[in-house]
Amino acid sequence: KAGVTQTPRYLIKTRGQQVTLSCSPISGHRSVSWYQQTPGQGLQFLFEYFSETQRNKGNFPGRFSGRQFSNSRSEMNVSTLELGDSALYLCASSPYSGGASTGELFFGEGSRLTVL
Amino acid sequence: QKEVEQNSGPLSVPEGAIASLNCTYSDRGSQSFFWYRQYSGKSPELIMSIYSNGDKEDGRFTAQLNKASQYVSLLIRDSQPSDSATYLCAVKTSYDKVIFGPGTSLSVIP
Repeated sequence: KAGVTQTPRYLIKTRGQQVTLSCSPISGHRSVSWYQQTPGQGLQFLFEYFSETQRNKGNFPGRFSGRQFSNSRSEMNVSTLELGDSALYLCASSPYSGGASTGELFFGEGSRLTVL
Repeated sequence: QKEVEQNSGPLSVPEGAIASLNCTYSDRGSQSFFWYRQYSGKSPELIMSIYSNGDKEDGRFTAQLNKASQYVSLLIRDSQPSDSATYLCAVKTSYDKVIFGPGTSLSVIP
């Protein structure tokens, strides 16, 4: 079974630009979550999607947005990039059981964003 | 108070010893708890899930949960140099978010 696939793996942007990151979950997993990881803040929850609906959102500004498609693939977008947005963005998929995510997360390799 | 806290590291243990990693959480309604291992430059990997009070063993790993004390721990027996990594405690809160602790860096010295 293929794992979680994230693209692109690395990207460099300048302040003010926007970026879109893509995530393909494990086949059969309908929940996709996004996290931001930085050395200072650790793993911070961005949002979770299930069946094309955002189920939960973390404490990030509105510049951070996401969506999920009918095939469970997900994208996240960051607009008006700031230097502090430089981070590793991790996508994780999760199986559902009994109408809820099990909470077990299977991570992709991440997209490393550098903002200059 | 942070939602998930872990004992500060780094933690160094000799090869063959028991490594003990601790985690506390603030949301009393949390029901699901996880330990992840993250090697340097890699993404987190799920190693243990625990849902009920008590111990859960998987090979050299034992997870312990005490919901009354809001405490989760991970014991690694017969520690190996390959266990050197950052260990992340994660909690699925009552509002369904999976929140991670800051991680504890473990170094196993040969």
